[in-house]
Amino acid sequence: DQQVKQNSPSLSVQEGRISILNCDYTNSMFDYFLWYKKYPAEGPTFLISISSIKDKNEDGRFTVFLNKSAKHLSLHIVPSQPGDSAVYFCAASASGGTYKYIFGTGTRLKVLA
Amino acid sequence: DADVTQTPRNRITKTGKRIMLECSQTKGHDRMYWYRQDPGLGLRLIYYSFDVKDINKGEISDGYSVSRQAQAKFSLSLESAIPNQTALYFCATIDISTDTQYFGPGTRLTVL
Repeated sequence: DQQVKQNSPSLSVQEGRISILNCDYTNSMFDYFLWYKKYPAEGPTFLISISSIKDKNEDGRFTVFLNKSAKHLSLHIVPSQPGDSAVYFCAASASGGTYKYIFGTGTRLKVLA
Repeated sequence: DADVTQTPRNRITKTGKRIMLECSQTKGHDRMYWYRQDPGLGLRLIYYSFDVKDINKGEISDGYSVSRQAQAKFSLSLESAIPNQTALYFCATIDISTDTQYFGPGTRLTVL
């Protein structure tokens, strides 16, 4: 049972446009969400996170939105740049000190110059 | 120098062989993790360790074992490798003050 789902395996966007990556979760105990970016031959790197007490978090060109009632989060990248081309994973965890993360299957973003 | 390193980076082995993947970190974090990545399945947790004496199974621990030799070292072993263990393996640590995981570069393992 996939508790964290990224239903779009790939996405192509023109440079300068907005990229929107989506993630859905099923476990209502999840209260902390993260996005990671992964380039080929490298490990994932942390991008941005959001706690369930918020519905939005921004960091430069990256914004994460959380809709708890829909169990849905999205990552917006504006403007998209060719260097953003990578695989993006969302991850979720439940508080209580478990520090266990459930990852989605990833979305490959390609930003076209 | 990388904060989380993994050796080897690539390994090809045969069914039935014993394999050890090693992970070292210089970040001083107590908590370390082993994941595997398969196409279409994302990252799945194999084992995790909260300190040298605390080892826990993850989602898919069958066929794997781990050893936490020191705070900085966490090894993953495949006692008798099988082809469906062919995957990309990642080690990670976590900074619990920021809830941020730091991943190594990965080990690509192929079991023939």
